[in-house]
Amino acid sequence: EDKVVQSPLSLVVHEGDTVTLNCSYEVTNFRSLLWYKQEKKAPTFLFMLTSSGIEKKSGRLSSILDKKELFSILNITATQTGDSAIYLCAVEAQGGGNKLTFGTGTQLKVEL
Amino acid sequence: DTGVSQNPRHKITKRGQNVTFRCDPISEHNRLYWYRQTLGQGPEFLTYFQNEAQLEKSRLLSDRFSAERPKGSFSTLEIQRTEQGDSAMYLCASSNNRGETQYFGPGTRLLVL
Repeated sequence: EDKVVQSPLSLVVHEGDTVTLNCSYEVTNFRSLLWYKQEKKAPTFLFMLTSSGIEKKSGRLSSILDKKELFSILNITATQTGDSAIYLCAVEAQGGGNKLTFGTGTQLKVEL
Repeated sequence: DTGVSQNPRHKITKRGQNVTFRCDPISEHNRLYWYRQTLGQGPEFLTYFQNEAQLEKSRLLSDRFSAERPKGSFSTLEIQRTEQGDSAMYLCASSNNRGETQYFGPGTRLLVL
């Protein structure tokens, strides 16, 4: 059974700090790993990673995948209060309709 | 707005009643997924459609749950004889046939009293 473990479960930082969120996974026939941001509604897409070692970047957010060690990290630099959310990691397997298996998420709170 | 839409956004019902939720995917997407999310957990896969065909169902989907996508466009998820354990956020997502990124709707939050 596919499995995703995220750490830490929750994190409180001050504005301007840099945070690193972790995601480790076990999946048969890996296709991709995705990061989503969830505020008080549906998850919104951040990144899809399919290849090891290639950093994806969007503004202050970046992510990288290590397919050998089966993990990914999501970095947020110069955090702002608007970054407060749950960050979800999910893996997608080949075939099977590409359904996603999610971790429990990391709850990030950014304080002034 | 061309995103995924879901109705209703909130539903409160009494135990034993039936409820039905609707999902309208992004128009050019032929894959549609249902997930359930409870407090403190990530979304869990329930079922998925390619066009009108329901191709996979999770073992989480008991006999009381049924999903349809009759014309390959919108989908409905019905829960019969609701139980308090059915209280959750029900999320719908869609993607194109190339299996690219799934985009989520705002969800329907169900509370069973």
